[in-house]
Amino acid sequence: GDSVTQMEGPVTLSEEAFLTINCTYTATGYPSLFWYVQYPGEGLQLLLKATKADDKGSNKGFEATYRKETTSFHLEKGSVQVSDSAVYFCALMEPQGGSEKLVFGKGTKLTVNP
Amino acid sequence: DTEVTQTPKHLVMGMTNKKSLKCEQHMGHRAMYWYKQKAKKPPELMFVYSYEKLSINESVPSRFSPECPNSSLLNLHLHALQPEDSALYLCASHLAGGADEQFFGPGTRLTVL
Repeated sequence: GDSVTQMEGPVTLSEEAFLTINCTYTATGYPSLFWYVQYPGEGLQLLLKATKADDKGSNKGFEATYRKETTSFHLEKGSVQVSDSAVYFCALMEPQGGSEKLVFGKGTKLTVNP
Repeated sequence: DTEVTQTPKHLVMGMTNKKSLKCEQHMGHRAMYWYKQKAKKPPELMFVYSYEKLSINESVPSRFSPECPNSSLLNLHLHALQPEDSALYLCASHLAGGADEQFFGPGTRLTVL
């Protein structure tokens, strides 16, 4: 079945450092790929997405490119802020006629220190 | 309106109580989901409703009973829960039939005493 493997962390960075969180996937078809972020005590928010190969998703300075050849969707940000401290989940979804399921990675906790 | 709302935000219940969690969306989404999330873990799928019909039940114990009264509402009825059922319960909705994102609510923090 489909699966997502992401760097588990925790990751601790200083403000303005460069961030990479690795994510690779296994899927039978052509999934859409997502990064969700969860701030303490809250639900999940979509950070960015890509629906086909070579698409680049971007939002709030974060970027990820759908790489079919390496089955990867790594999350990057050039300069992190304290407010980026959260848990980040990589996920995929394949169309299934109305009962689509999100498959999540285990999550990566990011802490950014001032 | 791109929001999924959930009530209550927090719930404390005893093992003999009956309570319900509620979820609502007005985005015209026809797939709605219940997830359970334990600390430091990803969300774990419980149920999927597609066009108001239960399409997926991930072998969830019968003490959890979902209900979809209409296309905008999703309930989760709770009865005779165990302390290990304490978790964050998340509702999500999705357009259905495609692979676009799911929209998540803020969750209900459930504590079972």
